[in-house]
Amino acid sequence: DGGITQSPKYLFRKEGQNVTLSCEQNLNHDAMYWYRQDPGQGLRLIYYSQIVNDFQKGDIAEGYSVSREKKESFPLTVTSAQKNPTAFYLCASSIDLGRVGYEQYFGPGTRLTVT
Amino acid sequence: GENVEQHPSTLSVQEGDSAVIKCTYSDSASNYFPWYKQELGKRPQLIIDIRSNVGEKKDQRIAVTLNKTAKHFSLHITETQPEDSAVYFCAALVRNNDMRFGAGTRLTVKP
Repeated sequence: DGGITQSPKYLFRKEGQNVTLSCEQNLNHDAMYWYRQDPGQGLRLIYYSQIVNDFQKGDIAEGYSVSREKKESFPLTVTSAQKNPTAFYLCASSIDLGRVGYEQYFGPGTRLTVT
Repeated sequence: GENVEQHPSTLSVQEGDSAVIKCTYSDSASNYFPWYKQELGKRPQLIIDIRSNVGEKKDQRIAVTLNKTAKHFSLHITETQPEDSAVYFCAALVRNNDMRFGAGTRLTVKP
C-alpha cells in the first residue's frame, strides 16, 4: 500500500473556508489524478496532471484548484465556491505510458466533511 | 468526452456461482480498460486490465472480454467466494491519461 499517500485521513471544515488536501507519491510516476467519490457513485475526475506544471480539468473541476510544482506532489484545494464539498477524495498516480502499462495506484483517500 | 456506463449497480450471487459485470464506453479512441476492486473503507485496487488489441484476458477466476466494435467490455468472476464481495469499477482510458470510471457495481456473494 505504500508509494502514494494522502493526508489527513479525515478533515473537517466550516463552510466558506478553503481547504487543501495533500497527495504525495514516491513512485516516480508522471501522471497524477484527483477523484471524488460520493456514496453509491463511481469515481468522478476532478483534475489530472501528466507532467510538472501542467494539469487538465476533469468532469467536475468547478470549485477546485490544483498545482503541480513537483513531480511527487499534487495538492488539491477545495474552495468555498464548491457547493457540495463533503465527499471522499482519492488521489492516484500512474506512469505516463505506452511503455509499460497504465495502472493507476490509489492513495488511501481523505474524507472531507464541511459543515 | 468519454462516457462509461456500468451495469448492474448491485449484484447478489450465491457462493460458487458466476458473476458478470458489463460496461460500455463511447469514445472509440479508448485503448485501455482496467477493472478495480474496492473493499469497504479501502482504496481501489487493480484486479485485471485489457488493452484494445486483445479480445479476452484471463487471470485465474477472473476474466475480461472486450468487444471494440460494440464498445463494451465485461468482467467475469467464476466460482465466486465471499471475499469477492466488494464494489467493482470499470474504467476506460482515453487520450492523454484521461481515465474515466463507471459508477460501480456492488457485488455481494452469499455463503
